[in-house]
Amino acid sequence: DGGITQSPKYLFRKEGQNVTLSCEQNLNHDAMYWYRQDPGQGLRLIYYSQIVNDFQKGDIAEGYSVSREKKESFPLTVTSAQKNPTAFYLCASSMGGQGWYNEQFFGPGTRLTVL
Amino acid sequence: KNEVEQSPQNLTAQEGEFITINCSYSVGISALHWLQQHPGGGIVSLFMLSSGKKKHGRLIATINIQEKHSSLHITASHPRDSAVYICAVRSNFGNEKLTFGTGTRLTIIP
Repeated sequence: DGGITQSPKYLFRKEGQNVTLSCEQNLNHDAMYWYRQDPGQGLRLIYYSQIVNDFQKGDIAEGYSVSREKKESFPLTVTSAQKNPTAFYLCASSMGGQGWYNEQFFGPGTRLTVL
Repeated sequence: KNEVEQSPQNLTAQEGEFITINCSYSVGISALHWLQQHPGGGIVSLFMLSSGKKKHGRLIATINIQEKHSSLHITASHPRDSAVYICAVRSNFGNEKLTFGTGTRLTIIP
């Protein structure tokens, strides 16, 4: 079955530690995205990638880093510089070079709690 | 003022009722998306529309570009429709990223 997987579902980390969230898709989509969701707020864009080996900052990129070495993978690292990392993180993908014009498919999300 | 406003924030209804969720936006857009988020957190895309009306099963989405307004309707609502419904718009200028509303939490009581 085609889809997007994110792992793990729940993640706990101590303050000051970097943590990497996994996102894999087998939909052969060119574009991938990372969003953050906080209670009472809409999804906010962290980073996006329209093509392999290229990515751009979204609205709230500070304290995060990404890589796009393979088409199917777009891992997100939450660094110790992110001041409020506890949140629900969603990965998405879409087909085509101009990803914004296409429907986005979302993964199940990872809930990160920093203790 | 947020670029995308949804109303109501919370909605509880009896099974079988006709449901309407509203989305208003303040920027020029090239498309509007309706998404469904289940309690587990996963999000499913329901509709992407730029004009008129779309229908899928018991779900109907309409958009009025001049009034900058869209509605999502659910006919013959069922408890399995209980979820958060999110409106997102794609701006027609700049980098054209999606801007999301805060969602409407719908609860259908049997």
